[in-house]
Amino acid sequence: RKEVEQDPGPFNVPEGATVAFNCTYSNSASQSFFWYRQDCRKEPKLLMSVYSSGNEDGRFTAQLNRASQYISLLIRDSKLSDSATYLCVVTLTDSWGKLQFGAGTQVVVTP
Amino acid sequence: NAGVTQTPKFQVLKTGQSMTLQCAQDMNHNSMYWYRQDPGMGLRLIYYSASEGTTDKGEVPNGYNVSRLNKREFSLRLESAAPSQTSVYFCASSDPVNIQYFGAGTRLSVL
Repeated sequence: RKEVEQDPGPFNVPEGATVAFNCTYSNSASQSFFWYRQDCRKEPKLLMSVYSSGNEDGRFTAQLNRASQYISLLIRDSKLSDSATYLCVVTLTDSWGKLQFGAGTQVVVTP
Repeated sequence: NAGVTQTPKFQVLKTGQSMTLQCAQDMNHNSMYWYRQDPGMGLRLIYYSASEGTTDKGEVPNGYNVSRLNKREFSLRLESAAPSQTSVYFCASSDPVNIQYFGAGTRLSVL
């Protein structure tokens, strides 16, 4: 079983709509959680950290559910530029900076 | 404002050839990483370096060696390339709160 699992998608979303997807992790003692964005053939870039109380950054909302061991990302008012692969990232408890990456969820926003 | 710089961007090797991928960061980060990314697999850690002078194996170290030349530079060497090493390689460094910054990647094909 993978440490971090994501639905690969693609999630096809009309422009202006809302899309949400989850990521599950297997290590219950995982400490830090992030969403990264990766455009086609580019490097991953941090989208947002995920805090225990949930957090928003503009149209993006991230949630953490420790009891069920998943994090979620919601994108409101989707833009064409939101088309990308979203990587879920988790730090392991015995790490000082080693991250575990999910394989990514592809989002395609259509006009 | 270079961040993490990787060279080369593309490389084609024949089976058995050797090469070194170069990586340098200008953010004064202690930790540096090498990942490979294959379709459907997500990023997998090859080697990491917590600080200058130290290196450790990650998830998939076989067939690779690394050198942390100084705080800025972390190189990855393939001594005898195999077709299974065809992949996209990313170097990264991380800040004190585990946010990782990636280079643009090296696309390697081994024939």
